[in-house]
Amino acid sequence: EAQVTQNPRYLITVTGKKLTVTCSQNMNHEYMSWYRQDPGLGLRQIYYSMNVEVTDKGDVPEGYKVSRKEKRNFPLILESPSPNQTSLYFCASKRGVSEQYFGPGTRLTVT
Amino acid sequence: KQEVTQIPAALSVPEGENLVLNCSFTDSAIYNLQWFRQDPGKGLTSLLLIQSSQREQTSGRLNASLDKSSGRSTLYIAASQPGDSATYLCAAEGAQKLVFGQGTRLTINP
Repeated sequence: EAQVTQNPRYLITVTGKKLTVTCSQNMNHEYMSWYRQDPGLGLRQIYYSMNVEVTDKGDVPEGYKVSRKEKRNFPLILESPSPNQTSLYFCASKRGVSEQYFGPGTRLTVT
Repeated sequence: KQEVTQIPAALSVPEGENLVLNCSFTDSAIYNLQWFRQDPGKGLTSLLLIQSSQREQTSGRLNASLDKSSGRSTLYIAASQPGDSATYLCAAEGAQKLVFGQGTRLTINP
């Protein structure tokens, strides 16, 4: 089954404790992206990757890092999480100008 | 900077009605426009994708149109059902990202 998977789905952590949210797709898509969704602000892009070893900032990259060492994986790294990074995070992937497929989301709470 | 607006923010209709959800965007230089459905606390499900060269797309009871010159897209839902209750999001793609509207929260009353 073609899908985008994210882990973990739910995470509660404390300020400053490094964490990684994994994203994997099995559709051989070149493009992958991370979004966060917040009430009243909607969905906003954090980072995206056009292909392996090619990443770029989206609209809200501060406090986040990404890497794209393999085509299928695009982890999101929070090196020192803060409470304002409490949000619902989505990973997405696509090929060319086709539709974007979204993962199930990761709900992160930083206390 | 692209801005996407969806009106109304919420809509409640009785079962069986046909309805239209609206989406407007400020920059007509888009690659495509995509409609999504989001159930509470869940992920996004892609409903329809309209390429910039297309005028409309249909899938079952759903029909989406695109008018780039006026910066508008509509999602038409025919014969609405309670299972259609969800938040509907439109997103304009350009410059390697999707810009989302705030969504329309749709409630279909039995």
